[in-house]
Parts: sequence; structure tokens; C-alpha cells
Amino acid sequence: SQTIHQWPATLVQPVGSPLSLECTVEGTSNPNLYWYRQAAGRGLQLLFYSVGIGQISSEVPQNLSASRPQDRQFILSSKKLLLSDSGFYLCAWRKTGTWEYNEQFFGPGTRLTVL
Amino acid sequence: KNEVEQSPQNLTAQEGEFITINCSYSVGISALHWLQQHPGGGIVSLFMLSSGKKKHGRLIATINIQEKHSSLHITASHPRDSAVYICAVRLDFGNEKLTFGTGTRLTIIP
Repeated sequence: SQTIHQWPATLVQPVGSPLSLECTVEGTSNPNLYWYRQAAGRGLQLLFYSVGIGQISSEVPQNLSASRPQDRQFILSSKKLLLSDSGFYLCAWRKTGTWEYNEQFFGPGTRLTVL
Repeated sequence: KNEVEQSPQNLTAQEGEFITINCSYSVGISALHWLQQHPGGGIVSLFMLSSGKKKHGRLIATINIQEKHSSLHITASHPRDSAVYICAVRLDFGNEKLTFGTGTRLTIIP
């Protein structure tokens, strides 16, 4: 069976510090991978998605970046955090292929607080 | 106006009641998802629909493509159903982006 891991689970960082959040998927190969953010009191927003190693698409321009160094690893980074980066960050994956595989599976999330 | 609107925003009901959560969207879509977010933040995918109706246990999801409307029903509700229920739509088959509603917070009182 497939599982998705995220770490850390919670993070408190000062403004201007760097960020690295990691997501890994087990039990599948060549998944589509996604980073979402849920700001306090707001809905989920897609930040980045990747259809393969080294392939990153950005949905929302901001001071965050994403990388996919390995097939089942997805990393969200920032060089300098802003207060507005606070939120709940979720990684998700889905199988590639036909539209029947549109269902996405979410990780446990990372709660980031920028002070 | 959001592309995906959910109602109600908050819903409190007694255990055993039949629950209906609604989702309306303003654009053509290829698929609609219902997600459940637990108090700790974890999200579980409940259904993916492109037409008709799906049932899983006490949960039923329906979609009317012509009316651009979907409903999530919970029969014999239980306190463990308390969560935020989120509707999300995919605009077309080649589009990776899901557009999310802001969610319905459901509280079931014993």
C-alpha cells in the first residue's frame, strides 16, 4: 500500500529564516506530487505540482520554491520566510495516467508558524 | 465571487440526524472531489465524481453537471463525523489544479 510522509509536523521559524519541508511517498512510482497551503481561515491553495523528477510547475508566484530531486521526494523551500508564509502545508500525490486517477492522497501536513 | 461555494459554512446537528452539505461551482469541470479534514489537519479524500452518485458506507455524494451542483450526505450521523468537509473541482482533464471551497465545519453533538 502507498503511504505519504511529511516532516516536520510542526515548525516555528523567525521571519527571514530559511525553510525546508520534505515530503516522501512510498509504495508507488512516478506519482504526480503537489504542495498546498492552507492559511488560517482560508481554503486550500495549490502552490506547486510536479509530474516528474526535476519538473516543477508553480501556481502562485511568491517567495517559495519547490524541487523534486528523486521520483518520490518533493521539497518545499524558502530562502527568507515572511509572516504571510504561516499556515498549514500539505503534500499530496496521485497516480499518473488516465483521469480515473485524479483522486489525490494527502500527507499529514506541516504546521508552520513564522514569528 | 469564489468559483466554488459551499453551504452552510457551519453546521451543528444531533447524533443520528441526516446531514446535507452543498457545493456549487461556476465553471465547467472534469471532476469534483469531496475531502474530509480532521481537527488535527489531516485530509482524507472521500469521493471523486464526474457524474451521478457514489456511496461509501454512510456517506453519499451526488453531482448534477447541468446545474453545477454537488451534495454530500451523511446518514445516521455520529460525533466522529465532526470535521471540515471540503469540495474541490478540477477544471479540465489536463489541468492539475484543484480549486477548493472554503469548507463546511460539521459538529455532531452526542
